Amino acid sequence: GAGVSQSPSNKVTEKGKDVELRCDPISGHTALYWYRQSLGQGLEFLIYFQGNSAPDKSGLPSDRFSAERTGGSVSTLTIQRTQQEDSAVYLCASSLGRGRVTDTQYFGPGTRLTVL
Amino acid sequence: KQEVTQIPAALSVPEGENLVLNCSFTDSAIYNLQWFRQDPGKGLTSLLLIQSSQREQTSGRLNASLDKSSGRSTLYIAASQPGDSATYLCAVIKSGGYQKVTFGTGTKLQVIP
Repeated sequence: GAGVSQSPSNKVTEKGKDVELRCDPISGHTALYWYRQSLGQGLEFLIYFQGNSAPDKSGLPSDRFSAERTGGSVSTLTIQRTQQEDSAVYLCASSLGRGRVTDTQYFGPGTRLTVL
Repeated sequence: KQEVTQIPAALSVPEGENLVLNCSFTDSAIYNLQWFRQDPGKGLTSLLLIQSSQREQTSGRLNASLDKSSGRSTLYIAASQPGDSATYLCAVIKSGGYQKVTFGTGTKLQVIP
């Protein structure tokens, strides 16, 4: 597809279980971002990958959260031992990553995570 | 189509000055507006979030205001410090959709010691 895709679109899990969320960025985009949006809240930045550089993990809320980006393309966000406060929509975005902050970020449709 | 513009594109001020960053948007049907800062080589740090029903939010030396009817938001930084040097982005989130986020063009701020 031409846009950023995310899977699954919806995920319901039980507290304490691990979940994996996937993001396929636009082909050729070197920058990839993960955000979280809780109900009624704005975007919370989680992690940023730029090319082969070490990711900026400064936004990860706890050590239960981790992310990988394999081969500079697909990314997986993993949440271990999920808690109810992890319930949110998880958004992925990619950009050309030309080193400019104002590169347009193209967002995926998001994964709605519900932790029961 | 929502367009978000930030003025000025770049700003250089001496330490200690108060300053105002501007954000304009064309579609007032927004859910909320968020100000971020981005340091070179890093991701975004959220500064302030203003819901569409609110007029302003404050955090420390930062104050953000929102005037939906005129499509404007301002970020006021009091007593600027060199550590405030960064690029400041506003992002508008459209009503009815989580993924409809439009970022502004950014203001690159340099605070000179």
